[in-house]
Amino acid sequence: NAGVTQTPKFQVLKTGQSMTLQCAQDMNHEYMSWYRQDPGMGLRLIHYSVGAGITDQGEVPNGYNVSRSTTEDFPLRLLSAAPSQTSVYFCASSYRAIGELFFGEGSRLTVL
Amino acid sequence: KNEVEQSPQNLTAQEGEFITINCSYSVGISALHWLQQHPGGGIVSLFMLSSGKKKHGRLIATINIQEKHSSLHITASHPRDSAVYICAVTGGATNKLIFGTGTLLAVQP
Repeated sequence: NAGVTQTPKFQVLKTGQSMTLQCAQDMNHEYMSWYRQDPGMGLRLIHYSVGAGITDQGEVPNGYNVSRSTTEDFPLRLLSAAPSQTSVYFCASSYRAIGELFFGEGSRLTVL
Repeated sequence: KNEVEQSPQNLTAQEGEFITINCSYSVGISALHWLQQHPGGGIVSLFMLSSGKKKHGRLIATINIQEKHSSLHITASHPRDSAVYICAVTGGATNKLIFGTGTLLAVQP
C-alpha cells in the first residue's frame, strides 16, 4: 500500500502560470480533501470530495479547481497562480467523511 | 475567536517528563483528531476519538464532550517526540474539519 501519494514535493511558479498538484490514494477511500498550511495558521480546507464525481468548496476555494473522475485521484489545479498562493499544500483521504485521516507528504509551492 | 484552540502554543520539556497538550473547541463535533507533524515533514494521524480515552504506546488521548475539551498526554517523553501536535475537529455548521494552530513540542535530552 502506498497510502496517499502527492506530487510534486516542490514547485516554483511565476505569477499567472497554471499547474496541477496530483493526489492519489490506493485505499479505496471515499473522502478526499486538499488543505493549505500557512505559518501561524491552522490547516485550511480548500476543496473536498465525498466520492467520484462529487466535489465541494471548503474554506478557501478561490483560485483553485478540483475534479474527482475516479475514486483514486483528486488533483488540485491552480488556474492563474498568485503570490498569495505560496503555501504548503496537503492532500488527505479517509474511508468516509468521519474517519481516520491519511495525509500525503505535502507540496511546497512558491509563486514569484 | 478560533473554533479550535490549543495550549500551550510552544512547549519545551526534558526527556522523561510527562507532557500534556490541551485542545478546546466551541462547536458541536462528530469526532476529534490528534495529528503529529515533524519539522519539514508530513502529517500523521495519532488518534481519532469521539468519547472517552484512547491509548497507543506512550500516547494517551482523552476527550470530555460536555466540557468541549481534549488532552493529549505523552508519558516518558523522548527527543523523537519533538514535533508539532495538531488538534482538529469534524463539526460545526458544515461538519468539516477545523484545525487548531498546533503546539510545537521540543523534548531536550
